[in-house]
Amino acid sequence: SQQGEEDPQALSIQEGENATMNCSYKTSINNLQWYRQNSGRGLVHLILIRSNEREKHSGRLRVTLDTSKKSSSLLITASRAADTASYFCATPSYGNNRLAFGKGNQVVVIP
Amino acid sequence: KAGVTQTPRYLIKTRGQQVTLSCSPISGHRSVSWYQQTPGQGLQFLFEYFSETQRNKGNFPGRFSGRQFSNSRSEMNVSTLELGDSALYLCASSLPSEKLFFGSGTQLSVL
Repeated sequence: SQQGEEDPQALSIQEGENATMNCSYKTSINNLQWYRQNSGRGLVHLILIRSNEREKHSGRLRVTLDTSKKSSSLLITASRAADTASYFCATPSYGNNRLAFGKGNQVVVIP
Repeated sequence: KAGVTQTPRYLIKTRGQQVTLSCSPISGHRSVSWYQQTPGQGLQFLFEYFSETQRNKGNFPGRFSGRQFSNSRSEMNVSTLELGDSALYLCASSLPSEKLFFGSGTQLSVL
């Protein structure tokens, strides 16, 4: 089974609101990554958090990692229409470049 | 720097045919990995190449193969196509780090 499983939810929010999505994984990791995918396109790396970090910020993104619960969350603050996309968490599996991806969370930001 | 380039963008094939997809990584990136994305199975790792050697392989049948050339460009081949091979095929390149840079993908439809 895949490591990195997001809560199977689709979010629809108004522009300016915050969006939160969660991810859980099954085995020990050395890092967890979040990627964004616009419809039918490639994935874009957003942020990487290492196992010894609890929280990380990048612009309007905030990621938390709880290794005791094997879970992570991604918060997008002050959302914009351009944030409409699918968001995936991913963890390394048998090597750094072999990532196990979750199913993805679809976020729709309404202008 | 140019990003990861995948060609062709769209492809339509019939069952039993074979197909070759191409990926040109970011200049200087020696690792290239391939992923298959379908609505049902999500993102699944196919294989990774580094310096012309396959370094990692996912759980796909032998009909799926790949190679990497001395300039780091990579190709993947699928022989005896099946309907279930219809998917978005994504290529990603990276330096020796955890962060992957993805191309826009090749959308393969098998009729």
